[in-house]
Amino acid sequence: DIQMTQSPSSLSAFVGDRVALTCRASQSIGSYLNWYQQKPGQAPKLLISAASSLQDGVPSRFRGSGSGTDFTLTISSLQPEDFATYYCQQSYRTPYTFGQGTILEIK
Amino acid sequence: QLHLQESGPGLVKPSETLSLTCAVSGGSISDSSYYWVWIRQTPGKGLEWIGYISVSGTIDYNPSLKSRVTLSVDRSKNNFSLKLSSMTAADTAVYHCARLYSVGYYPLDYWGQGILVTVSS
Repeated sequence: DIQMTQSPSSLSAFVGDRVALTCRASQSIGSYLNWYQQKPGQAPKLLISAASSLQDGVPSRFRGSGSGTDFTLTISSLQPEDFATYYCQQSYRTPYTFGQGTILEIK
Repeated sequence: QLHLQESGPGLVKPSETLSLTCAVSGGSISDSSYYWVWIRQTPGKGLEWIGYISVSGTIDYNPSLKSRVTLSVDRSKNNFSLKLSSMTAADTAVYHCARLYSVGYYPLDYWGQGILVTVSS
């Protein structure tokens, strides 16, 4: 299986901060990388597909970048509703595996 | 707006078979652009891929669970189902169903909220 490693595992930040969450694949996955946001008790929500394609309705402060093995999700100006857990997922080869998540907490 | 809703027992005894159903509303399960997916989530192992099925009969199971998993689709009821046999405590998890867009980069564009299944005698 392709292993996905996210860092940091948790992050504290202020409203208005710019943050970068990283995701590394154990082998090259091209741009087959998706990002999800999950809030407690809710279903994960797709934010970005194909490494950098923003889903309809997702604010433009979210940006995805990278290819190959190294990927980044950047949130340019944190809003209160952005505090959640973020997961990356590779869709290059089944089983489509997930990172362990980054918990983004308000400082 | 598509909506996915899992249903089934919240408590299963060890060695029994888990049966879950995902009801799809706001869209057709027969749309050939999509696969229908099961994923489970635990605090320890995070999000774990179980497998997917399409209405055309394409099926893919996680090799780690393949010997115990069966997925099926019911077009007439617009739902799909998961069976997981020989349940143990390690199978205690929140089980999510989701839709996978089978064109391009295969994102999971809609998820159900999940159902907590506990394995205990």
